Amino acid sequence: GNSVTQMEGPVTLSEEAFLTINCTYTATGYPSLFWYVQYPGEGLQLLLKATKADDKGSNKGFEATYRKETTSFHLEKGSVQVSDSAVYFCALTTGGATNKLIFGTGTLLAVQP
Amino acid sequence: DTAVSQTPKYLVTQMGNDKSIKCEQNLGHDTMYWYKQDSKKFLKIMFSYNNKELIINETVPNRFSPKSPDKAHLNLHINSLELGDSAVYFCASSQSGQKGEKLFFGSGTQLSVL
Repeated sequence: GNSVTQMEGPVTLSEEAFLTINCTYTATGYPSLFWYVQYPGEGLQLLLKATKADDKGSNKGFEATYRKETTSFHLEKGSVQVSDSAVYFCALTTGGATNKLIFGTGTLLAVQP
Repeated sequence: DTAVSQTPKYLVTQMGNDKSIKCEQNLGHDTMYWYKQDSKKFLKIMFSYNNKELIINETVPNRFSPKSPDKAHLNLHINSLELGDSAVYFCASSQSGQKGEKLFFGSGTQLSVL
């Protein structure tokens, strides 16, 4: 079946550190890939997405590249801020009549000043 | 204006009670969803509706009954609440439920069953 695996948290970093959150997927066909972010007490919001192989999604200094050969979509940011503290979810959709967003388990990021 | 709004934000109730959560979107989307987030933050789809028609029902107990009176609303009624129903429930919507589309989420309803 279709699934998403992402690194377990929590990830604790100092401000301005480099961030990587690993995400790999298993899917039939050609999925679209997403990173969603959930700030404390809020719903999820889309951070970035990529819909085909080698696409790079980017937003707010975050980026992730759709790697079909390694079935990965790792999230990176060069210099994190305290305001980036949140839970990050990797997700995929495969389309079709019963298209749905399948999430990874989420990774809590805590950035300390 | 809030794009996807759900009420109530918090719901505390006793086992065995029946409760409802309401969701409305003002984005003109055709597809709406209910997701359940457990205490470990894991998110799982429960239902999706497209143009008021049920598209996905993910082996959710039949104590959970979604109702979509129109495209802009998707309510969730839960009968005979159990302790294991305690979670955060998120409503979401998208333009047409197609692959690659972004979902817009509500801010969640935290349900606590005592």
